[in-house]
Amino acid sequence: AQSVTQLGSHVSVSEGALVLLRCNYSSSVPPYLFWYVQYPNQGLQLLLKYTSAATLVKGINGFEAEFKKSETSFHLTKPSAHMSDAAEYFCAVSENSWGKFQFGAGTQVVVTP
Amino acid sequence: DTAVSQTPKYLVTQMGNDKSIKCEQNLGHDTMYWYKQDSKKFLKIMFSYNNKELIINETVPNRFSPKSPDKAHLNLHINSLELGDSAVYFCASSRLAGGSYEQYFGPGTRLTVT
Repeated sequence: AQSVTQLGSHVSVSEGALVLLRCNYSSSVPPYLFWYVQYPNQGLQLLLKYTSAATLVKGINGFEAEFKKSETSFHLTKPSAHMSDAAEYFCAVSENSWGKFQFGAGTQVVVTP
Repeated sequence: DTAVSQTPKYLVTQMGNDKSIKCEQNLGHDTMYWYKQDSKKFLKIMFSYNNKELIINETVPNRFSPKSPDKAHLNLHINSLELGDSAVYFCASSRLAGGSYEQYFGPGTRLTVT
């Protein structure tokens, strides 16, 4: 069975500082992994995805994530936070071809000036 | 131009009523989903249809009934609404046949049951 754990429900970063959001997964087969962002009162927007190609995945808005099989992790990073990065971030895993996603509980990012 | 659209965006109703939420996608995808997001932002899949066939049916009260008239539409009908049904409901779509698996989400419908 698949599951996702996001460490830290709330992260506060200074503008210009590194953003690091942690995601660990559990899967019985090689998983597909995703990061989504949700701005207030909006739907989820895909940031990036891992589907067994390159382990370092680049996404939109300067975000990237690295798949580490040995650590069962897929952490999201951005070198320099911008005020517009303030949002809720979700990690998701899918281990089958039916598209059944398991979402993490989400991490709220606050960016301070 | 909207890829995945939902109507209505807001829905306020009383307990015991029946309501429907509609979803349409113009991405040419073959699979559509309904998710429920609770007040703590937790997202849970409810249903999924692939080419109009139900492929995911999670443990959801049978008061919830999805209907897919065609590949581009997936509606959600809820009977005898309860206070606990208050949440944001998201529709999503993907192209499973293409093997890309990422899902594209609609803007959500905020349901408030009073």
